Amino acid sequence: QKEVEQNSGPLSVPEGAIASLNCTYSDRGSQSFFWYRQYSGKSPELIMFIYSNGDKEDGRFTAQLNKASQYVSLLIRDSQPSDSATYLCAVNSPGANSKLTFGKGITLSVRP
Amino acid sequence: DTEVTQTPKHLVMGMTNKKSLKCEQHMGHRAMYWYKQKAKKPPELMFVYSYEKLSINESVPSRFSPECPNSSLLNLHLHALQPEDSALYLCASSQDAGGRAWTDTQYFGPGTRLTVL
Repeated sequence: QKEVEQNSGPLSVPEGAIASLNCTYSDRGSQSFFWYRQYSGKSPELIMFIYSNGDKEDGRFTAQLNKASQYVSLLIRDSQPSDSATYLCAVNSPGANSKLTFGKGITLSVRP
Repeated sequence: DTEVTQTPKHLVMGMTNKKSLKCEQHMGHRAMYWYKQKAKKPPELMFVYSYEKLSINESVPSRFSPECPNSSLLNLHLHALQPEDSALYLCASSQDAGGRAWTDTQYFGPGTRLTVL
């Protein structure tokens, strides 16, 4: 049974702070990792994807992957109230069809 | 352009009705997905189509019937649903890169909010 675990949350940070969202996964064969942001009542929106160990930066967002520790994280620098949402970690494994396993999500609240 | 469209945005139906949800993408993606999402839960995979063929059915009840008329369109036919089927139904698509499927990235549509009375 493949599992993806995220901190239960909710997470609250002040505006301008760094928000750190963490995710662990159980399947060592997993090769690609995704972070989706979901605003209340809306659909998931892709924020970042990462395949290789290390850091990947895109604007205020940095994804970090450590396959040895089976750990992936998302850092949001200079957090804004508009970042307040649920963040879903998703992991897929090689195969003919991409099948994502989602974590339960963590709700981030950025206080003005 | 990473747009997936879904219609309708909202649907209210009775338990004896038959209705359909529609999804469309024009990104040239060859894999399309249906997910169900209940409040405060992650999306739950229902079906996967790859190159217009059903490749995954996650043991979904037969009252949900998917159809992929062509590579851009995906339908979900609904019949005799139960109130517990009320949820946000999400369509997604991805390139389905064959041997490099591990790089495949799914893009979601806006969803259809379904209420079964």
